[in-house]
Amino acid sequence: NAGVTQTPKFQVLKTGQSMTLQCAQDMNHNSMYWYRQDPGMGLRLIYYSASEGTTDKGEVPNGYNVSRLNKREFSLRLESAAPSQTSVYFCATQIPNTGELFFGEGSRLTVL
Amino acid sequence: GEDVEQSLFLSVREGDSSVINCTYTDSSSTYLYWYKQEPGAGLQLLTYIFSNMDMKQDQRLTVLLNKKDKHLSLRIADTQTGDSAIYFCAESKDSSASKIIFGSGTRLSIRP
Repeated sequence: NAGVTQTPKFQVLKTGQSMTLQCAQDMNHNSMYWYRQDPGMGLRLIYYSASEGTTDKGEVPNGYNVSRLNKREFSLRLESAAPSQTSVYFCATQIPNTGELFFGEGSRLTVL
Repeated sequence: GEDVEQSLFLSVREGDSSVINCTYTDSSSTYLYWYKQEPGAGLQLLTYIFSNMDMKQDQRLTVLLNKKDKHLSLRIADTQTGDSAIYFCAESKDSSASKIIFGSGTRLSIRP
């Protein structure tokens, strides 16, 4: 099925551990995004990539890094996880012109 | 800064109409969106409206925009159990998702 695929779907980390969330799309879209979703706070943009080879900070980039490996893949890395990074993370791509976002199913991360 | 506000919960009886309200602060908003999130899934675009429109109808969904009051509403006619979800209002100045501001979401529950 065409769409946005995120791995892993669930992860538990200890404070200070590192991990990378993977995202891949087969929709041939240029723009890709990483959001976090916290209860009562909607979605907040962490980082985005308007095209292959470019990345930019969003609203809440601290504690994260990203890599746009190629047009298909956009990964999010936590170098030293903190409990405040416990959240559900969503990757998305965008249709140009309308701004419609296509979301992956999410990655639920718990940092103890 | 810009803000999008929604009430957190709405409960309606099956078969009734649901009206989910949203207010936003940015008068230069051009694109206004409604997204739906079912349990354990990513957000999915329901509909969107441009700021030069007052109303948009799509089957059971009606979107009303009052640009003067910066008020957006989503009406779901004949609400069904499958409509149970969280509904997010979002606005943007342009079609770039890096500028999209999401509300906190309204959880719609359906009573038999």
